[in-house]
Amino acid sequence: DIQMTQSPSSLSASLGDSVTITCRTSHFISTYLNWYQQRPGEAPKLLIYAASTLQSGASSRFSGNGSGTEFVLTIRDLRPEDFATYYCQDSYGALHFGPGTKLQIK
Amino acid sequence: QVQLQESGPGLVKPSQTLSLTCTVSGGSVDNAGYYWSWIRQRPERGPEWIGYIYYTGSTSYKSSLKSRLMLSLDTSRNQFSLRLASVTAADTAVYYCVRTRIGVTEGNITTSFDLWGRGLLVSVSS
Repeated sequence: DIQMTQSPSSLSASLGDSVTITCRTSHFISTYLNWYQQRPGEAPKLLIYAASTLQSGASSRFSGNGSGTEFVLTIRDLRPEDFATYYCQDSYGALHFGPGTKLQIK
Repeated sequence: QVQLQESGPGLVKPSQTLSLTCTVSGGSVDNAGYYWSWIRQRPERGPEWIGYIYYTGSTSYKSSLKSRLMLSLDTSRNQFSLRLASVTAADTAVYYCVRTRIGVTEGNITTSFDLWGRGLLVSVSS
């Protein structure tokens, strides 16, 4: 079974900063990787699919990169609504989610 | 626009069967471009895909739940449903119904969970 890890598990940043979240998988998954944002009390929301394609309606301040076993989500120019938990997800196979990265305001 | 709404009991006794229904409005469950998934999220944990059903009735289940899980689809009511048998406290979670877009990435069928219901908290307790 594929194992997914995310780093860091939490981070603090200020408004206007840029941050990077990394997702690593135990098996090669090409670009079969999605990213989601979950605000407290809400359902997750799709941000990026196929590792780097921005979902319709998602802010262009979000970008994704990577392939194989290492993937990166970058958020530029942090705004108050970006402080949330972010999950990566394997989009082919067992459809596992990563453990999440909680982004908090500094 | 398309919306999904979960319904069902918020409390289930251990060993009983959890039954939930998702009603889809503004769109059709017999759209060939989508699966219809259930995803749950236990307290302080990440989301966990449980299974999906296609408009043809074909299903795919998380392997560890396969023996207890059944998904069904009612196109006349534009609904899909989940039945999870022999529940324990470990099944306590927020259950989401989710539209699941079918895509093709590098020649392989891939999925993305592109539209979620608001979620329903189900507690398993006597």
